[in-house]
Amino acid sequence: KAGVTQTPRYLIKTRGQQVTLSCSPISGHRSVSWYQQTPGQGLQFLFEYFSETQRNKGNFPGRFSGRQFSNSRSEMNVSTLELGDSALYLCASFLASEETQYFGPGTRLLVL
Amino acid sequence: AQSVTQLGSHVSVSEGALVLLRCNYSSSVPPYLFWYVQYPNQGLQLLLKYTSAATLVKGINGFEAEFKKSETSFHLTKPSAHMSDAAEYFCAVSKGGSYIPTFGRGTSLIVHP
Repeated sequence: KAGVTQTPRYLIKTRGQQVTLSCSPISGHRSVSWYQQTPGQGLQFLFEYFSETQRNKGNFPGRFSGRQFSNSRSEMNVSTLELGDSALYLCASFLASEETQYFGPGTRLLVL
Repeated sequence: AQSVTQLGSHVSVSEGALVLLRCNYSSSVPPYLFWYVQYPNQGLQLLLKYTSAATLVKGINGFEAEFKKSETSFHLTKPSAHMSDAAEYFCAVSKGGSYIPTFGRGTSLIVHP
């Protein structure tokens, strides 16, 4: 069974731009969570989608948004990029029967 | 509320030595506990998990962890370190169900030849 995939793997943007990241969960997983990882703040939870609905939300500004499609694929969007948004963005899919999150390889975003 | 404390942001061992990475948690309900490993420029890979079955949990790559309720600990060990074990290790706690796990700040394991 294929793992969690994220595209693109690397991205360079400039301040003020917007970016969209994509995540495809493991087949059969209906929950997708997004995390931001930085050296200073560690791993921080952004939001979780389940069956196309946001089920949980972390403490991030409204510039960070997401959505989930009927095939469980999810996208995350960041508008008006700031230098501090430079980070590794990780996606994880969750299977309730296993009580476990499985992570993708991440998208490395650099904001200049 | 639940929280995780990983003692030591960096742990250094010699190849062949015992690896011990510490994790203490707090949880208002019986927890689910996890250890993940992250290699450079990669995502988090599940090493092992505790979900209220046996208190000694064996994972991949020779790692194991023991759930000690009285000490609220879930320390990760490996009898003999290998150079390939050098990575970042994260402990996480969850209340299960739809609850999002809480992650520790991570411990960087350095293995010297």
